[in-house]
Amino acid sequence: DIQVTQSPSSLSASVGDRVTITCRASQSISRYLNWYQQKPGKAPKLLIYAASSLQSGVPSRFSGSGSGTDFTLTISSLQPEDFATYFCQQSYSFFFTFGPGTKVDIK
Amino acid sequence: QITLKESGPTLVKPTQTLTLTCTLSEFSGVGVGWIRQPPGKALEWLALIYWNDDKRYSPSLKSRLTITKDTSKNQVVLTMTNMDPVDTATYYCAHTSQQHLGEYYFDYWGQGTLVTVSS
Repeated sequence: DIQVTQSPSSLSASVGDRVTITCRASQSISRYLNWYQQKPGKAPKLLIYAASSLQSGVPSRFSGSGSGTDFTLTISSLQPEDFATYFCQQSYSFFFTFGPGTKVDIK
Repeated sequence: QITLKESGPTLVKPTQTLTLTCTLSEFSGVGVGWIRQPPGKALEWLALIYWNDDKRYSPSLKSRLTITKDTSKNQVVLTMTNMDPVDTATYYCAHTSQQHLGEYYFDYWGQGTLVTVSS
């Protein structure tokens, strides 16, 4: 099975900060990596698919990069509505695994 | 806008079989997946059914899961046998799309349904 890890597990940031979250796969997954945002009590929301494609309707302050085993989600200027938990998910080899999540809270 | 809604029991007893139904507004994309999330924990993918009726299951749960579809009712059904308290979780169904072959992603989600396993 392909495992994915995320770092950090949590972070505290202020409105306007640039935030970077990293996802690492246990083997190369090309660009088969997606990012989701989840707020308490809500379903996850797709932000980025195929490593760097922005889902329709998602603000442009969100961006994704990477390929192979290392990937990054960047929020260029953190907004109040961005405080949430972020998950990465791989779809290589037709089986899917999610990362453990990164909680972004207010400093 | 694609909508999905999960339905099923909120409480099941240990050893029982859980049956969850996902009703969706349209059959589009490549299929529907099921994902669960224990309280306070991470997401776990369970199964995916493609519209051509191909199916994929989590290797760790494969022996307990069955996923089917009923196109006449716009529904996808997941059954999980031999339920245990550790299976207590919110269960989500999610519309699945792809950009290129293999680049699958869950672009629309149901609201989720909390299933508690307890005697």
